[in-house]
Amino acid sequence: KAGVTQTPRYLIKTRGQQVTLSCSPISGHRSVSWYQQTPGQGLQFLFEYFSETQRNKGNFPGRFSGRQFSNSRSEMNVSTLELGDSALYLCASSIDLASTGELFFGEGSRLTVL
Amino acid sequence: DAKTTQPPSMDCAEGRAANLPCNHSTISGNEYVYWYRQIHSQGPQYIIHGLKNNETNEMASLIITEDRKSSTLILPHATLRDTAVYYCIVRGSNAGNMLTFGGGTRLMVKP
Repeated sequence: KAGVTQTPRYLIKTRGQQVTLSCSPISGHRSVSWYQQTPGQGLQFLFEYFSETQRNKGNFPGRFSGRQFSNSRSEMNVSTLELGDSALYLCASSIDLASTGELFFGEGSRLTVL
Repeated sequence: DAKTTQPPSMDCAEGRAANLPCNHSTISGNEYVYWYRQIHSQGPQYIIHGLKNNETNEMASLIITEDRKSSTLILPHATLRDTAVYYCIVRGSNAGNMLTFGGGTRLMVKP
């Protein structure tokens, strides 16, 4: 079956702009989580959605937001972009929120902020 | 969630077993040990997880000490394609899918 799909794969924005990233989970998966990866901070959890509700949120400013649709697809938005937002944004899906659930990651969206 | 400590890098000869250690001395009773790996510029890939007992699947084996304060991931016959960053993660039952990644171990498999 198809894996986790993230779009766009690469994008370039300038400071002050906003960006929306999309994630389509594996069919049947209801949980979607987002991570930011930078060389300095490594992989950091952004937020997690299950059944259209945000369940957990990482330590990121309010400029970072997300949502999940009824078909489990998710989007994340970053407003007023800063240079430090340049990163690989990874989406992961799982069947549910169970602690033993395996996460399946997408290939990521690489954002460059100029 | 408990924190983990891993060596920043390791080398392994192709065809030999790669043994990647992880310390998680503050792990609590309901926390699982997970291993993921990330090949350059790709998303992390699940490898294996366990609670108390040793586990084996087609990719690797996971050995957890009896006191659960440390574990070892074993790749029995490492290939060049196993070159990646390996992350050991401890995940609690109330953490949902919020994984806390540390720095991981950069494994270099050499011919």
